[in-house]
Amino acid sequence: DAGVIQSPRHEVTEMGQEVTLRCKPISGHDYLFWYRQTMMRGLELLIYFNNNVPIDDSGMPEDRFSAKMPNASFSTLKIQPSEPRDSAVYFCASTSRQGATSNYGYTFGSGTRLTVV
Amino acid sequence: AQSVSQHNHHVILSEAASLELGCNYSYGGTVNLFWYVQYPGQHLQLLLKYFSGDPLVKGIKGFEAEFIKSKFSFNLRKPSVQWSDTAEYFCAVASGGSYIPTFGRGTSLIVHP
Repeated sequence: DAGVIQSPRHEVTEMGQEVTLRCKPISGHDYLFWYRQTMMRGLELLIYFNNNVPIDDSGMPEDRFSAKMPNASFSTLKIQPSEPRDSAVYFCASTSRQGATSNYGYTFGSGTRLTVV
Repeated sequence: AQSVSQHNHHVILSEAASLELGCNYSYGGTVNLFWYVQYPGQHLQLLLKYFSGDPLVKGIKGFEAEFIKSKFSFNLRKPSVQWSDTAEYFCAVASGGSYIPTFGRGTSLIVHP
């Protein structure tokens, strides 16, 4: 298995532009998480899905942020319009209920480093 | 809501030194505890976890952690660190049967050769 795949790896965009981050979870995993990592705030959970349904989006900072999971193999995190304070590394992670209690825990993607100038 | 505190933000050690990274959480019920490691430029990987049983948990690469319920702590230890242990270490706590962890701010460990 190729693991959790995120794209792009790096994104540089101008303030006000729309940004779309993509994630392909591990096949068979029914939980998908979006995290944001910054120096100031550490690792924050933005939203998570179970069986493609958003369960908790209380971590989404503003209405500018939205996430979708149209099917079991794909999720997007969109920021519109983007602002410089959105600059961070965004991680996607997936697991299964069984996996969460196994030795594998959560599998994280390599992240997308977003820079908004 | 639970919270996780990692008191050491930056730790600098020489090779062969012993390591202990502190992690405390605030939640009175049953917890599931994790330590993750993030090597430079890489994603988070699971080091070890505790769900039940022996409170002393052995993980990969010689790491271990001890769950002390009375102290709400889950400190990470390694008797002799190596240069390759240079990384960011995250403690995470999930309450009850949720399995959805809250992460601490992380501790940056630098090991000098």
